[in-house]
Amino acid sequence: GENVEQHPSTLSVQEGDSAVIKCTYSDSASNYFPWYKQELGKRPQLIIDIRSNVGEKKDQRIAVTLNKTAKHFSLHITETQPEDSAVYFCAPYHPRTYKYIFGTGTRLKVLA
Amino acid sequence: NAGVTQTPKFRVLKTGQSMTLLCAQDMNHEYMYWYRQDPGMGLRLIHYSVGEGTTAKGEVPDGYNVSRLKKQNFLLGLESAAPSQTSVYFCASSPSTPNSYNEQFFGPGTRLTVL
Repeated sequence: GENVEQHPSTLSVQEGDSAVIKCTYSDSASNYFPWYKQELGKRPQLIIDIRSNVGEKKDQRIAVTLNKTAKHFSLHITETQPEDSAVYFCAPYHPRTYKYIFGTGTRLKVLA
Repeated sequence: NAGVTQTPKFRVLKTGQSMTLLCAQDMNHEYMYWYRQDPGMGLRLIHYSVGEGTTAKGEVPDGYNVSRLKKQNFLLGLESAAPSQTSVYFCASSPSTPNSYNEQFFGPGTRLTVL
């Protein structure tokens, strides 16, 4: 079956530093790669996504890069702020099954 | 647009009781999903539906049933609740597109405790 691994599971950075979270997937047919941010007690919120025909996408301080050959995609947050502290999930989409398989999450803590 | 709504927001059940969680979306989306999230963990897919009248099993379907009689509603049922079903339940919906990749929209969640 589909396998999604997310690393690291926890990440602490100083305010202003960069953070990188990596998601590795097993199904080469995956064609949509979203990242979600989830604050305590809230629903997952889409922060950035990328399609399979694009290698990189940027939105202000957030970027996502995709390496389809190696089957991984990464979330990059620059100039981190305390409000970036949350749990982040990747969830690659599998078009043959219509399913999104969520990673186990990365708890990011930005230290002021 | 209300987006995706879930009813109820909180519920406490005793072991063996039954209940139904309701998910409703007003975006005319084809696909709907039920997930559960246990403390400190990711979302696991329970059941999903790719259209009115259709349902399919996800990763953790045991102990749950679903129905999609109307396009805008997706119901999740627990016939005989067990403490292991204590969790936060999220519903999500997404549109279908010719290229088959779609943003998911999540409901606010239902916090269920089974004693």
